[in-house]
Amino acid sequence: EDQVTQSPEALRLQEGESSSLNCSYTVSGLRGLFWYRQDPGKGPEFLFTLYSAGEEKEKERLKATLTKKESFLHITAPKPEDSATYLCAVQAGNFGNEKLTFGTGTRLTIIP
Amino acid sequence: SAVISQKPSRDICQRGTSLTIQCQVDSQVTMMFWYRQQPGQSLTLIATANQGSEATYESGFVIDKFPISRPNLTFSTLTVSNLSPEDSSIYLCSASTSSYNSPLHFGNGTRLTVT
Repeated sequence: EDQVTQSPEALRLQEGESSSLNCSYTVSGLRGLFWYRQDPGKGPEFLFTLYSAGEEKEKERLKATLTKKESFLHITAPKPEDSATYLCAVQAGNFGNEKLTFGTGTRLTIIP
Repeated sequence: SAVISQKPSRDICQRGTSLTIQCQVDSQVTMMFWYRQQPGQSLTLIATANQGSEATYESGFVIDKFPISRPNLTFSTLTVSNLSPEDSSIYLCSASTSSYNSPLHFGNGTRLTVT
């Protein structure tokens, strides 16, 4: 059974204080690892897809990296508007099986 | 990317009644899914909504409790039947195109409270 574990559960940072969120996974046949951002009262918003170990993707202050066992979401010089819950999800198995298995998320708070 | 609209956005229902949630996508999509998000927990897949055929349910979810319809490539409904307080949760519709490894996009969810 596919498993996704995110840490920490919650993280409070001062504005400008860089840090990383972790997503470790156990799957059979990883096809993609996805990062989402979720604001209160909203659905998850897609950020990145990573397909293979060594891949990196960036968007503004966020950079996602992938190894064979885990992914990191690096947040550089965060701003209060980066406060949200960040979700990691994996897609595995054969093409046609499009479902995602999610972790429980990291609730990030950026203090002005 | 697909824009997904869900309604209602929230509802308060009596025990024993049912709630039907509608999901409308602004473009034709191949895959539509229904997820549940309970407080403090991850998103859990309820079922895959198949166009023109019966939905595919995940372990622990059954058609009698969560009947799903998908009459075309842009619309689906999820009914939560015979409500109990344990059904209080956020229900999310999601969709993706047929592109390989295309990401799922989500609606803003329906917050259900059962009293």
